[in-house]
Amino acid sequence: GAVVSQHPSWVICKSGTSVKIECRSLDFQATTMFWYRQFPKQSLMLMATSNEGSKATYEQGVEKDKFLINHASLTLSTLTVTSAHPEDSSFYICSARDRRTGGYQPQHFGDGTRLSIL
Amino acid sequence: QKEVEQDPGPLSVPEGAIVSLNCTYSNSAFQYFMWYRQYSRKGPELLMYTYSSGNKEDGRFTAQVDKSSKYISLFIRDSQPSDSATYLCAMYDNDMRFGAGTRLTVKP
Repeated sequence: GAVVSQHPSWVICKSGTSVKIECRSLDFQATTMFWYRQFPKQSLMLMATSNEGSKATYEQGVEKDKFLINHASLTLSTLTVTSAHPEDSSFYICSARDRRTGGYQPQHFGDGTRLSIL
Repeated sequence: QKEVEQDPGPLSVPEGAIVSLNCTYSNSAFQYFMWYRQYSRKGPELLMYTYSSGNKEDGRFTAQVDKSSKYISLFIRDSQPSDSATYLCAMYDNDMRFGAGTRLTVKP
């Protein structure tokens, strides 16, 4: 159980393009989803926390107009990188937490999206 | 000082060895402790999670938490080449904090 699907797994596009990444919880409902960025050989850097039906909370230094997050349902959150540039090239990973009550539920991660901007 | 300290390695062991991975932390409010395994170009996979101090065993994996010392460990018995990955510790108290990850290679 607790499967998180992320799509696409790899995208290459030209500078100035907007790219949308989807994150779905397949077998559970997720009130909260998280978006991370990871540089090679580094740990995860939280970009934003996405709550179903409300605005995302962005971490300090993350441009909310650059990284648009939509969490329209309990099983889907999307991250759109607008007008992407080469410095946005990175590995983007989403995670979701099961909304079951009765204690803390750990995050489950998708397989990540490798974004390459030419 | 970082909230969570984890030696990035790399750590290389022969197949069959017992592997010990560790993290220390400074925030005594952390209550939940996780270990994730991340293969190259994949997302982290939850291996173990524990609440407060104590041990938890799952197959070849044992997680230990010592809150008095602010120290957590993951032991891997009879390590296999397929265990080669980066192991991330994580801790939670309203917010999640990750260690830097330890890169492990198990050589056949």
